Amino acid sequence: GQSLEQPSEVTAVEGAIVQINCTYQTSGFYGLSWYQQHDGGAPTFLSYNGLDGLEETGRFSSFLSRSDSYGYLLLQELQMKDSASYFCAVRDKGGYQKVTFGTGTKLQVIP
Amino acid sequence: GAVVSQHPSRVICKSGTSVKIECRSLDFQATTMFWYRQFPKQSLMLMATSNEGSKATYEQGVEKDKFLINHASLTLSTLTVTSAHPEDSSFYICSAGKPRGLAGGRFTDTQYFGPGTRLTVL
Repeated sequence: GQSLEQPSEVTAVEGAIVQINCTYQTSGFYGLSWYQQHDGGAPTFLSYNGLDGLEETGRFSSFLSRSDSYGYLLLQELQMKDSASYFCAVRDKGGYQKVTFGTGTKLQVIP
Repeated sequence: GAVVSQHPSRVICKSGTSVKIECRSLDFQATTMFWYRQFPKQSLMLMATSNEGSKATYEQGVEKDKFLINHASLTLSTLTVTSAHPEDSSFYICSAGKPRGLAGGRFTDTQYFGPGTRLTVL
């Protein structure tokens, strides 16, 4: 089976940097993704790591260490609109296979 | 990007009625779509994998006779909640994969989500 653990809540100040961690246990591994979900909305894709290392997309970066079964999402220059829930997600097979979502981290950005 | 739509966005129905939710990939073909359910302040729980032209694959604990899935074309999947009850009230979200490329030597995709359907059963 699959299990992914994330901190349930994180609070950070506008303009700061915040890191959201994700640890996973999977039978196989074909990539770690990150999604953002605002209250009442659908998840939107943020980032993907198929191999170890750092992927940067604007203010967001994502890191993966397959040997540690660990990844994180780094949000820089936080803005109030970044307040949302963030989910890591893994799949254990390549291709159009199901994705298992983490427990989710609710980020609150304060002035 | 890729666009996935859902209809309706919100539905309120009486207990015992059936509700159909449509999920469409607007600018790409999706041989596989996924249906999720999300309760307030919880994560997305996969209900079933919808396969074009064949039967859906349901996750453990999901009643296939209650949640009917039909994937009639490469751009449309429907979820019908039959004989809905108040405990079925939830946020239902579909997703479809679009090719992303290779990861670790294997083909992979990115999931694009529909806007969700909020079902309230009275």
